[in-house]
Amino acid sequence: SQQGEEDPQALSIQEGENATMNCSYKTSINNLQWYRQNSGRGLVHLILIRSNEREKHSGRLRVTLDTSKKSSSLLITASRAADTASYFCATEGGSNFGNEKLTFGTGTRLTIIP
Amino acid sequence: DTEVTQTPKHLVMGMTNKKSLKCEQHMGHRAMYWYKQKAKKPPELMFVYSYEKLSINESVPSRFSPECPNSSLLNLHLHALQPEDSALYLCASSPSRRTGGRELFFGEGSRLTVL
Repeated sequence: SQQGEEDPQALSIQEGENATMNCSYKTSINNLQWYRQNSGRGLVHLILIRSNEREKHSGRLRVTLDTSKKSSSLLITASRAADTASYFCATEGGSNFGNEKLTFGTGTRLTIIP
Repeated sequence: DTEVTQTPKHLVMGMTNKKSLKCEQHMGHRAMYWYKQKAKKPPELMFVYSYEKLSINESVPSRFSPECPNSSLLNLHLHALQPEDSALYLCASSPSRRTGGRELFFGEGSRLTVL
């Protein structure tokens, strides 16, 4: 079953604009991660935010986490054509989960228009 | 070396064939994973090995048989597959469990087509 639902499913923006995608999840988590996947390729880890953190930055990426709403957002600033990819959130469960189990959300397909 | 290497990149097999997918990492990671991904869908966990022992099997049909010969290698043996098993199979590894979570390092995947 899906732990994470992402919104929107697809997003197209002009190069240079900011892109925001959201992830909602259902059960308690230890941490939430974001991954990028170029078409037909492997996934690349972008950023990890722990359940006791509210915001985290890495380069042009900003991630927020609201555990009371069970949601997270990924902001990519000053988008580039190379940012075109699918983005997935992934959750690692709380104490009742097998802690090696990382469950991926449905993903957002981001297209940057040059 | 921060790579996870998967072979073959592409595989076409008939329903009566036996084949294997291979995965290798030299990062000293002690957890290794197989995920299955259908087109436009998220990866779905199949198996997790921790310290060369199978720790999670997500109720995967027995026609998929994982093997972890040592801490650097992970195989997925395939037998009597169905056309609906056609997908991208992703291998990943992660460091030993530590407080605060772990990131997964993925290979580029093996694209499997079952005829």
